[in-house]
Amino acid sequence: NAGVTQTPKFRVLKTGQSMTLLCAQDMNHEYMYWYRQDPGMGLRLIHYSVGEGTTAKGEVPDGYNVSRLKKQNFLLGLESAAPSQTSVYFCASSLGEQFFGPGTRLTVL
Amino acid sequence: AQKITQTQPGMFVQEKEAVTLDCTYDTSDPSYGLFWYKQPSSGEMIFLIYQGSYDQQNATEGRYSLNFQKARKSANLVISASQLGDSAMYFCAMREGSSNSNSGYALNFGKGTSLLVTP
Repeated sequence: NAGVTQTPKFRVLKTGQSMTLLCAQDMNHEYMYWYRQDPGMGLRLIHYSVGEGTTAKGEVPDGYNVSRLKKQNFLLGLESAAPSQTSVYFCASSLGEQFFGPGTRLTVL
Repeated sequence: AQKITQTQPGMFVQEKEAVTLDCTYDTSDPSYGLFWYKQPSSGEMIFLIYQGSYDQQNATEGRYSLNFQKARKSANLVISASQLGDSAMYFCAMREGSSNSNSGYALNFGKGTSLLVTP
C-alpha cells in the first residue's frame, strides 16, 4: 500500500496563477482532509470531505476550492494564487487515526 | 479560541534522559481523542500515540507514553530514554467526536514544541 500520496512535492507559482494539488489514498477511507502549515503554526484545516461527492469548508477555506469526484482522490485548487498561500500543504485520510501524505511545499511569488 | 495549547516553543534534553512535552486542550465534547505527532526536519507527519477520552489507562507506545489528566484537560507526552533521532517538532492534536462535529473529525493542532536532544 502506498498510503497517502501527494503530487507535486514542490511548486513555485507567480501571483495570479492557478494550480491543483492532488491527493490520493489507497486505504478506502471515507474521510479526507487538506491542511496547511505555516511557520510557527500547527496544521490548520482548509477543507475536508466525508465521502465521495461531498466537501465542506474548514477553518481557513478562502482562496481554495476542492473536489472529491472519486473516493480515493481529493483535489485542492488555487484559482488565483496569492503570496499568502505560500505554505506547506498536507493531505490526510482517516478511518480513525489520520494518515498524512508527505506534503507539498508551495511558494507563491 | 485555541483548542490545543502547547506552551513550550522549544525544549532541550540530554540523550538517554526523559522529557515531558506539555499539552492542554479545551473541549466541551465528552467524546474526543488526543494525538501526538512527530515532524522531523524532513517534514513528514509521523503518528506517535493516541488517547481516547474514555480510556481508563494512559496510552503507551514503546518509549512514548501519554500522561492523561482528564480533570486538568492535559495530555502530556513523555519520551523516555531520549535519542538523538528524537530531535524534531512535536504536535499535540485533538479530534472531537460528537455526531454534531462540524469538521468531519478533523484534527485541531497545537503550535508545536521543538525538541532538541543533545549528546
